[in-house]
Amino acid sequence: EAGVVQSPRYKIIEKKQPVAFWCNPISGHNTLYWYLQNLGQGPELLIRYENEEAVDDSQLPKDRFSAERLKGVDSTLKIQPAELGDSAVYLCASSTEDYNEQFFGPGTRLTVL
Amino acid sequence: GDSVTQMEGPVTLSEEAFLTINCTYTATGYPSLFWYVQYPGEGLQLLLKATKADDKGSNKGFEATYRKETTSFHLEKGSVQVSDSAVYFCALGGYSTLTFGKGTMLLVSP
Repeated sequence: EAGVVQSPRYKIIEKKQPVAFWCNPISGHNTLYWYLQNLGQGPELLIRYENEEAVDDSQLPKDRFSAERLKGVDSTLKIQPAELGDSAVYLCASSTEDYNEQFFGPGTRLTVL
Repeated sequence: GDSVTQMEGPVTLSEEAFLTINCTYTATGYPSLFWYVQYPGEGLQLLLKATKADDKGSNKGFEATYRKETTSFHLEKGSVQVSDSAVYFCALGGYSTLTFGKGTMLLVSP
């Protein structure tokens, strides 16, 4: 069974540029999560989807971040414009209704110069 | 709000040494508790979990017991291997999501 797929694995951009990350969850997992992991920190939830509905986006900085999961399967997280402080690893995870067991992708490491 | 506090790393051990990584939590209600492991270049993987007080989670030689009286969920392993070198995250499950600690890096030398 394929795990959570994320791309790209690494991205280097200059500040003020846009960037997008893509995630394909495990087949059959209705719940999808985007987490932010700063260096030396644990993951912090940005947004959680139940199918195509964003049910928790309270920690998503909506002035520059946006996300979508149009068909309730794969998802895209976008930053526009990127700032230096956005340099971090962006993790995607998915689960069934049992949110306690989340499966994580390898993450996208973003560097903003 | 919910929070998790882990001991700071790195924890440096020789192969076959005993491992303890401390984790304490603050939460309302009765959360589930987890340990996740992150190997270099990989995503987080669930290592073990406990869903109620006095439960013991175990996997791959690692164990942790849910102690409600001390609000703790310390990770232990009797004999570590070089391949256990990774970052370990303690987490608690609230109403609908997970709250993670900052992680503890473990380095095991031959």
